[in-house]
Amino acid sequence: KQEVTQIPAALSVPEGENLVLNCSFTDSAIYNLQWFRQDPGKGLTSLLLIQSSQREQTSGRLNASLDKSSGRSTLYIAASQPGDSATYLCAVPQDAGNMLTFGGGTRLMVKP
Amino acid sequence: DAGVTQSPTHLIKTRGQHVTLRCSPISGHKSVSWYQQVLGQGPQFIFQYYEKEERGRGNFPDRFSARQFPNYSSELNVNALLLGDSALYLCASSLGPGKNTEAFFGQGTRLTVV
Repeated sequence: KQEVTQIPAALSVPEGENLVLNCSFTDSAIYNLQWFRQDPGKGLTSLLLIQSSQREQTSGRLNASLDKSSGRSTLYIAASQPGDSATYLCAVPQDAGNMLTFGGGTRLMVKP
Repeated sequence: DAGVTQSPTHLIKTRGQHVTLRCSPISGHKSVSWYQQVLGQGPQFIFQYYEKEERGRGNFPDRFSARQFPNYSSELNVNALLLGDSALYLCASSLGPGKNTEAFFGQGTRLTVV
């Protein structure tokens, strides 16, 4: 059974810092990994989808990397801004059905 | 182009009652999945439907049921509500079961059971 873990559970940084969020999974036979952002009480916004054949995926100040063999993905946020404050979730699909298994999320606060 | 829409946005129900939550997927998407998110935790998978057929079911009791309509919209039904059913219910749509399709989520329905 796939298990997804995100560490740390919470992170507070000053504005402008570059930061890394971590996601680990127990079964390396994944098809892809998706990163989401969630604002308090809101739905999930898809940030990046990284395919199993890819090592990296970039969107603006965000860069996601994937290392299947070690069961890890990282989300790198460059030059953090207060507007980046949110919970970041990673998820992997259960086999080919797209039924996602989520990590518990990292709650990020960027202080002005 | 409209994203995934869910209704209602908020709902308060009493223990023992029944609730129906609704979801309309992105135009062209044929798969709808439902997730429950308890405060402070990641979402937990409940159901997936594709082409009106149930394709997957998470570890939830039989009080939870769902269906998908010919226009690919979906309903999630919960009977005999318990206090522990209080959560944010999220709907996700995608093109269909496949190895590399991206899931897009709605804004959720906040259910409070009192």
